Amino acid sequence: GIQVEQSPPDLILQEGANSTLRCNFSDSVNNLQWFHQNPWGQLINLFYIPSGTKQNGRLSATTVATERYSLLYISSSQTTDSGVYFCAVDAGGTSYGKLTFGQGTILTVHP
Amino acid sequence: SAVISQKPSRDICQRGTSLTIQCQVDSQVTMMFWYRQQPGQSLTLIATANQGSEATYESGFVIDKFPISRPNLTFSTLTVSNMSPEDSSIYLCSATRVTGNTIYFGEGSWLTVV
Repeated sequence: GIQVEQSPPDLILQEGANSTLRCNFSDSVNNLQWFHQNPWGQLINLFYIPSGTKQNGRLSATTVATERYSLLYISSSQTTDSGVYFCAVDAGGTSYGKLTFGQGTILTVHP
Repeated sequence: SAVISQKPSRDICQRGTSLTIQCQVDSQVTMMFWYRQQPGQSLTLIATANQGSEATYESGFVIDKFPISRPNLTFSTLTVSNMSPEDSSIYLCSATRVTGNTIYFGEGSWLTVV
């Protein structure tokens, strides 16, 4: 099956700093999503982005499908951005909807 | 977006007992899934909940331990049977909508087995 690797595993920032999280995947994907998991365990969908670039406020994401990687950019970070960021993919076809998750990036933003 | 409700949100269970988690979606969905997230780990797919038929389990998960039902398009249950402390995890339900490709998750059910 598809392998998903995220980097860095941990990231510590001061409030106001910018950051880039990376997701590499081992095969063609039908779906790629970025999620933020808050301290209560809730998984919040940030982007559905199997290719191209999207922006939502201080967050943006880019996926280069031909090179099998995706980047999540967080600008002007806030303490509320803290949590775990996951990249997840599925290969489509019979695997549609069956997400394979990376190990996550633990982000801590200090005031 | 789809709203997916899970209950219970949190529970403490005695070892050897079973607990059923419910997942309700507010709109028509095509597929529903169940995931497990062990402490400090990523999410792992348990099974696909098939409407009106037996669930399809991923490698390492079996029906006797994790029986799943999906009696209609918008509702599913996952039972964690004969629990041990190793079953302490967050269990999450997900769904795909009829339109669009985004996959949505419920709030999760945080189980602690003592």
